[in-house]
Amino acid sequence: AQSVTQPDIHITVSEGASLELRCNYSYGATPYLFWYVQSPGQGLQLLLKYFSGDTLVQGIKGFEAEFKRSQSSFNLRKPSVHWSDAAEYFCAVAPDSWGKLQFGAGTQVVVTP
Amino acid sequence: KAGVTQTPRYLIKTRGQQVTLSCSPISGHRSVSWYQQTPGQGLQFLFEYFSETQRNKGNFPGRFSGRQFSNSRSEMNVSTLELGDSALYLCASSPANTDTQYFGPGTRLTVL
Repeated sequence: AQSVTQPDIHITVSEGASLELRCNYSYGATPYLFWYVQSPGQGLQLLLKYFSGDTLVQGIKGFEAEFKRSQSSFNLRKPSVHWSDAAEYFCAVAPDSWGKLQFGAGTQVVVTP
Repeated sequence: KAGVTQTPRYLIKTRGQQVTLSCSPISGHRSVSWYQQTPGQGLQFLFEYFSETQRNKGNFPGRFSGRQFSNSRSEMNVSTLELGDSALYLCASSPANTDTQYFGPGTRLTVL
């Protein structure tokens, strides 16, 4: 079955430390891939996307993600987190139908001083 | 450009009632998708409209319906509300024939 997996439900990171959030997908072909962030009580904000080409994608707020076909992964990274990065992060894929995104369960990121 | 707007932002209904939620996409975007977000089920796709036609539908009962108008604004309707319909309903818009979706702030529906 097609699926998107975010193995980490919750991550705690110190301010200034690096962050890596994992995402694995299971699809027949390489789907379009996205990372979104959601702050409490808010909608989803697009951080970055991968359609094709360069496997290292730069996004907003200093985030980047690397697509690895061999591992069916699309991990999100940030070299140095800020307290404002505390939020829930969702990996999503657009498998084969227009207008439909399939989301992972999300990873809650807590930033400590 | 203004972002995706959703009205109302908060709504309280009782079981058995019906509700209509509204979504105005980003100017120029012709595709509107709807999602339900709950703590237990996460983010689930409801349906997608493009040029007033439903192109895609998720696995939700027929109580959930939607439509899109000629100006690309969209509404979704839930009839005979159940407690389990309590959720954040998110609308997203995208330009024609791309998969990059931009989300609104959502409507928080509480069913009592």
